[in-house]
Amino acid sequence: GIQVEQSPPDLILQEGANSTLRCNFSDSVNNLQWFHQNPWGQLINLFYIPSGTKQNGRLSATTVATERYSLLYISSSQTTDSGVYFCAVFSGAGSYQLTFGKGTKLSVIP
Amino acid sequence: DAGVTQSPTHLIKTRGQQVTLRCSPKSGHDTVSWYQQALGQGPQFIFQYYEEEERQRGNFPDRFSGHQFPNYSSELNVNALLLGDSALYLCASSFVGSNQPQHFGDGTRLSIL
Repeated sequence: GIQVEQSPPDLILQEGANSTLRCNFSDSVNNLQWFHQNPWGQLINLFYIPSGTKQNGRLSATTVATERYSLLYISSSQTTDSGVYFCAVFSGAGSYQLTFGKGTKLSVIP
Repeated sequence: DAGVTQSPTHLIKTRGQQVTLRCSPKSGHDTVSWYQQALGQGPQFIFQYYEEEERQRGNFPDRFSGHQFPNYSSELNVNALLLGDSALYLCASSFVGSNQPQHFGDGTRLSIL
């Protein structure tokens, strides 16, 4: 099956800093989602992004499907950004399941 | 507009017991998927239900079974619980069709003693 790799596995930032999280996938995908899992376990949709670039406030995402990667940018980080960021992909026509990476654990310190 | 709701939030069981977890999809969604998330890992797909039928299944034993009701809500049943079944169980809902974005509930945290 498709493999999803995220980097870095862990990231510590000072409040106000910027960061880039990367997601590589091993095969062509029909779609991709980015999620934030907060310390209470809630999995929150950030982006649904098969290709191109989207922005939502301090967050933006870019997917280059032909090169099999996606990037999540966090600018002016806040302590509430802490948690685990997951990339998940749908692969193949007729796919109904998301395959997740292992996540990037982000800690933002004051 | 209600999101995905799951119950209960926490559950403690012992080995060998059976458990039922419940999920109501986001308003307007007709498809429900279940995922298992072990500590420190990403969620793993268990199965998806649409029109009261299991449409796709991940690599889980048949101790894991499900059901979808006419109102689109769903149950996940796990029999003969093992210590390794301790995890966060997440329900996701979406519109019918492949590659539709999935919206997740807050999960049920299951602990097996």
